[in-house]
Amino acid sequence: NAGVTQTPKFQVLKTGQSMTLQCAQDMNHNSMYWYRQDPGMGLRLIYYSASEGTTDKGEVPNGYNVSRLNKREFSLRLESAAPSQTSVYFCASTSGGLNSPLHFGNGTRLTVT
Amino acid sequence: AQKITQTQPGMFVQEKEAVTLDCTYDTSDPSYGLFWYKQPSSGEMIFLIYQGSYDQQNATEGRYSLNFQKARKSANLVISASQLGDSAMYFCAMREGASYDKVIFGPGTSLSVIP
Repeated sequence: NAGVTQTPKFQVLKTGQSMTLQCAQDMNHNSMYWYRQDPGMGLRLIYYSASEGTTDKGEVPNGYNVSRLNKREFSLRLESAAPSQTSVYFCASTSGGLNSPLHFGNGTRLTVT
Repeated sequence: AQKITQTQPGMFVQEKEAVTLDCTYDTSDPSYGLFWYKQPSSGEMIFLIYQGSYDQQNATEGRYSLNFQKARKSANLVISASQLGDSAMYFCAMREGASYDKVIFGPGTSLSVIP
């Protein structure tokens, strides 16, 4: 049982390069999320998707785009990477219901030079 | 707007003692859920405990319990009988009923257990 799978685990980009972080879940969850984690800031919500075909902005969406490709997959794209986007990125998913906890992937460590 | 505050950047506790990690939140929605997660140095996020805004009793899960004070908008995590393996970052998170797909986190508290 894989749960939430994120790829890649590590990535180094130069300023201005683009890349897509991939996320897939096999738990048949409706909702999926992208967070970034920076020291002292906790996890900040970038985008989320309540269901296939819908996406919504979170707390820090600028500089990012997302695609909910199907129920399983939710990708995060950086069109023109900036050093301020150096962070650890987590994908998460959950089933419906107020009491359903998030299930997290193992994270992607991204460095933009 | 949703907001979570964790005012203790770092905490120390002696092994076998109890420790309380603070979490206050702000919401205008009467229906919401509060979660605590643990992040050890290995980086994975581990769900610990849940408290719903309409729950009559404070949540408990093994050595974890929530001191839920709704009027004060606080949901403090109590860890009893601390173990060395409890050393980690701890995050409080909230999900509002009106838009319960949106889940936000506090800045976290780093807990160190001293032998």
